[in-house]
Amino acid sequence: GAGVSQSPRYKVAKRGQDVALRCDPISGHVSLFWYQQALGQGPEFLTYFQNEAQLDKSGLPSDRFFAERPEGSVSTLKIQRTQQEDSAVYLCASSLAGGRGEQFFGPGTRLTVL
Amino acid sequence: KQEVTQIPAALSVPEGENLVLNCSFTDSAIYNLQWFRQDPGKGLTSLLLIQSSQREQTSGRLNASLDKSSGRSTLYIAASQPGDSATYLCAVPTSGTYKYIFGTGTRLKVLA
Repeated sequence: GAGVSQSPRYKVAKRGQDVALRCDPISGHVSLFWYQQALGQGPEFLTYFQNEAQLDKSGLPSDRFFAERPEGSVSTLKIQRTQQEDSAVYLCASSLAGGRGEQFFGPGTRLTVL
Repeated sequence: KQEVTQIPAALSVPEGENLVLNCSFTDSAIYNLQWFRQDPGKGLTSLLLIQSSQREQTSGRLNASLDKSSGRSTLYIAASQPGDSATYLCAVPTSGTYKYIFGTGTRLKVLA
């Protein structure tokens, strides 16, 4: 398809497990964003990539969160030693331009930490 | 620090009504503002992107306006339909960064 895809769509983890969430942006899109969305809230910024460079990671809530985009296309958000407060929907968005263009979102990954 | 407020938090209207959703932001040094809709359990769908140099953008029955100096944007939906029922979110960047700040959204329900 031509849109942003994310996998898995749903993930259940036991507290303390590591998880990896994948984002496939629209082909050719330079910019990639990760957001965290709690129930009933708007998305909260986590990190931003321009090609393979992580230009802003100010929203990552702790050093347990790590994101990468090694070849400037697919990105992975990794959460180590998951905690219950990490339960949320993780959204990925891409845009054609350098971070200031229209953002297109994927369907999200719903993470539940038991 | 950029803060975004959306009013009302929820809205229920009969089909066919014209309606206005409001978005306020505290830092007017923005280069664009984007409106999205989100259906339950789904990701966000882009509706309109307004650049800072523009005053409004239109797409079909949707019209978004931007008043940077007063820190406000409105999304006007004409002739609402049940299919318009969703949560509507606005997002603006924090000055000097690529960090976008979202409002908490307006939950719209259009009754048939």
